[in-house]
Amino acid sequence: KNEVEQSPQNLTAQEGEFITINCSYSVGISALHWLQQHPGGGIVSLFMLSSGKKKHGRLIATINIQEKHSSLHITASHPRDSAVYICAVRRGGSQGNLIFGKGTKLSVKP
Amino acid sequence: DAGITQSPRHKVTETGTPVTLRCHQTENHRYMYWYRQDPGHGLRLIHYSYGVKDTDKGEVSDGYSVSRSKTEDFLLTLESATSSQTSVYFCAALATGRTEAFFGQGTRLTVV
Repeated sequence: KNEVEQSPQNLTAQEGEFITINCSYSVGISALHWLQQHPGGGIVSLFMLSSGKKKHGRLIATINIQEKHSSLHITASHPRDSAVYICAVRRGGSQGNLIFGKGTKLSVKP
Repeated sequence: DAGITQSPRHKVTETGTPVTLRCHQTENHRYMYWYRQDPGHGLRLIHYSYGVKDTDKGEVSDGYSVSRSKTEDFLLTLESATSSQTSVYFCAALATGRTEAFFGQGTRLTVV
């Protein structure tokens, strides 16, 4: 079983819809990251969370440490939001390796 | 990208040849990582470094070696490239503590 599971794997939405991507993990962590990767592009950090909730523009990320679960929400989705969204957890401990989920491919249709 | 530069960005090489990929950072981050990204697998850790001359293996380290002689440079070497090492390689860097992760733009390597 993967240590970081994302759902759904693929998601198609109409412009304007509210989108939720979920991430569950099974290891102890010091932080959780949400990343964005456009086709053929590099990886950009959206959020780093260790508790609670963060908001940046139309993006909201939440984490529940007790339940080992995080969600990424996109409000009023737009075609430019089409990308792969990746959840990554940073292990607790001194080395702090990042473990990645396999990503959620989001396509927002106009 | 917080000053993470990978080189080369694209490379085609022949089976059996050695290849070295370079990751350079300008922010003095302590931790550096090499990942490969393949369809259906996501990003998988090859090797990582937690300081100069301190490196360790990740989950897919066979056929790869690394070196970190300076804080700013982390080199990934494919000792004898194979077709299974055709992939996109990403370098990442993190500071100590709960900080953002920073990624290079990726290196697309094709072994023919």
